[in-house]
Amino acid sequence: DVKVTQSSRYLVKRTGEKVFLECVQDMDHENMFWYRQDPGLGLRLIYFSYDVKMKEKGDIPEGYSVSREKKERFSLILESASTNQTSMYLCASSLGVGMNTEAFFGQGTRLTVV
Amino acid sequence: GQSLEQPSEVTAVEGAIVQINCTYQTSGFYGLSWYQQHDGGAPTFLSYNGLDGLEETGRFSSFLSRSDSYGYLLLQELQMKDSASYFCASRTGANNLFFGTGTRLTVIP
Repeated sequence: DVKVTQSSRYLVKRTGEKVFLECVQDMDHENMFWYRQDPGLGLRLIYFSYDVKMKEKGDIPEGYSVSREKKERFSLILESASTNQTSMYLCASSLGVGMNTEAFFGQGTRLTVV
Repeated sequence: GQSLEQPSEVTAVEGAIVQINCTYQTSGFYGLSWYQQHDGGAPTFLSYNGLDGLEETGRFSSFLSRSDSYGYLLLQELQMKDSASYFCASRTGANNLFFGTGTRLTVIP
C-alpha cells in the first residue's frame, strides 16, 4: 500500500514563527502536492513538485515556500506564520506519467497560528 | 487558470440514487477525477474519466461531457457510510492536480 506520512497531526505556532510541515511518501512517486483545506473552499493547491528540486506554484503560493531535496520528501514552509494560515494542510503524491494517476493523501496537519 | 464548481450540499435517502455535478473551466484539460473524504479522514480516489461517457465502478459511476465542460458522480443504493464530502479534480498538465469546492453528501434513513 502507498503510504504518505505527514510529520504532525496537530500543530500550534505563534504569529511570525517559521513553520515546517514535512511529508514523506514511500512509493517512488514523481509528483508531490501541498494543499490547504478550508470549509467551503475545497482543497486549494499551494505548490507541487514533479521531480527533485523542481517545483511549481499552485493557486495560492503567497506566504509559502517548498523544498524537495529528496524524491520521497516534500516540505512546506511558512516563512512567517500568520493567523490566516490557520488551516488543514494535506500532502499528496502520485505517479508522474499518464493522466489517470491516482493521488494518495496523507492524514493532514491541522495548523493553528495564534 | 481553472475552476471546478460543485453544489455545496446534497441530502439523499438511504437506498436512493444521488448525482453530484461538477462544471469546470480550465486552461487545459486532462480528464476528471472524483475523490471521497469522510470527516477527519484523507481524500481517497474513486474514479477517473479521460474520455466522454460513463465509467462504472460498483455502486459508483462517473460521467464526463467535455463539450459541455461537465461531469457528475452517480451513487446508487445509497448507504449511511456514503455520507462524506465528494470532490471533483482535474489536471491542466501532466503534473498538477486541482480540486473543486466539494459537495457534502448527507444520507438520511
